[in-house]
Amino acid sequence: EADIYQTPRYLVIGTGKKITLECSQTMGHDKMYWYQQDPGMELHLIHYSYGVNSTEKGDLSSESTVSRIRTEHFPLTLESARPSHTSQYLCASSEYIETEAFFGQGTRLTVV
Amino acid sequence: GQQVMQIPQYQHVQEGEDFTTYCNSSTTLSNIQWYKQRPGGHPVFLIQLVKSGEVKKQKRLTFQFGEAKKNSSLHITATQTTDVGTYFCGGLGSGGYQKVTFGTGTKLQVIP
Repeated sequence: EADIYQTPRYLVIGTGKKITLECSQTMGHDKMYWYQQDPGMELHLIHYSYGVNSTEKGDLSSESTVSRIRTEHFPLTLESARPSHTSQYLCASSEYIETEAFFGQGTRLTVV
Repeated sequence: GQQVMQIPQYQHVQEGEDFTTYCNSSTTLSNIQWYKQRPGGHPVFLIQLVKSGEVKKQKRLTFQFGEAKKNSSLHITATQTTDVGTYFCGGLGSGGYQKVTFGTGTKLQVIP
């Protein structure tokens, strides 16, 4: 069983609110990732980190930001949520770039 | 940038029929990974292929990596209802493109 956790699992918030999606892993992995996925659709990489104090934007442009102050923690923040941000956000980690990724359960975000 | 396409996008099969999904990359890959995502769930790692022409089997699942390391396939023999889900391939670029790019996914529905 993978030790990567995301909270909250579900979130409904109003437009303009600031939110932080939490992601933590206890496997000591340096590599962590955030994906955005609409229901039944493809996975879009929006942020990744290859270690503490290292973050990069992914292939899909996103208004969210991330931080990596500790190895085990990789939170994602939306400063001002909009309905277009409604989606599922999946966090993942891997020991190396070329090894398997372990995914969290995801956060289903709805902005009304 | 690197693009990974999968076909078909959707597939409905009668239980007991075979199923194949194909993954094609625009660039040569270092490795290819396959994941399964059950409805409402998160992607779970199935297997990784590294060598040109490699073939691996997991019970009723057969995975192939093309000779040119630009394509891959997943074949399921005698599908069961437990095979329902979306199958994603993820390709790690070779050379300087050190990120895993996921394919568009193939959603499999098995009719009992």
